[in-house]
Amino acid sequence: EDQVTQSPEALRLQEGESSSLNCSYTVSGLRGLFWYRQDPGKGPEFLFTLYSAGEEKEKERLKATLTKKESFLHITAPKPEDSATYLCAVQAGGGADGLTFGKGTHLIIQP
Amino acid sequence: DVKVTQSSRYLVKRTGEKVFLECVQDMDHENMFWYRQDPGLGLRLIYFSYDVKMKEKGDIPEGYSVSREKKERFSLILESASTNQTSMYLCASSLPPQGWVYGYTFGSGTRLTVV
Repeated sequence: EDQVTQSPEALRLQEGESSSLNCSYTVSGLRGLFWYRQDPGKGPEFLFTLYSAGEEKEKERLKATLTKKESFLHITAPKPEDSATYLCAVQAGGGADGLTFGKGTHLIIQP
Repeated sequence: DVKVTQSSRYLVKRTGEKVFLECVQDMDHENMFWYRQDPGLGLRLIYFSYDVKMKEKGDIPEGYSVSREKKERFSLILESASTNQTSMYLCASSLPPQGWVYGYTFGSGTRLTVV
């Protein structure tokens, strides 16, 4: 069974204080690892897809990296508008197209 | 921008009612999905569809069914609503194989309360 575990569950940072969110996964045949951002009362918003170990992707203050067992979402010099829940999901190679999600990390950036 | 529209933001239904949740996407995506999101449990896949009139069970299909009569519309049906189906329901769509590159597009969700 595919599993995705995110840590920490919640993280409070000061504005400008860089940190990383972790996503560890167990999946048979990874096709892709996805990061999403979710604001309160809204659906998840796509950020990145990573396909293979060693791959990195960046978007503004966010950088996602992937190893064979986990992914990190690095947040550099965050701003209050980066506050959200960040979700990690995997797509396995078994043929089904649905994503398996972690429970998310609730990030709060204090001014 | 791809739009995934869910017909209701908030819905209150009584136990035993038959409930229809509607989802429409406007970008000719082949794949459509229904998830539910609960605190402490995250998003869980209920059903998905690759094409018109096709459907596949996800991880938690019990108590639900789906209908896809047109490519742009994917309906989730609660045959007899129960209080444990109180949840946020999220619809998503993707265009394979680009779904891997551009991700899945989610609607804003329907918060269903069953009383």
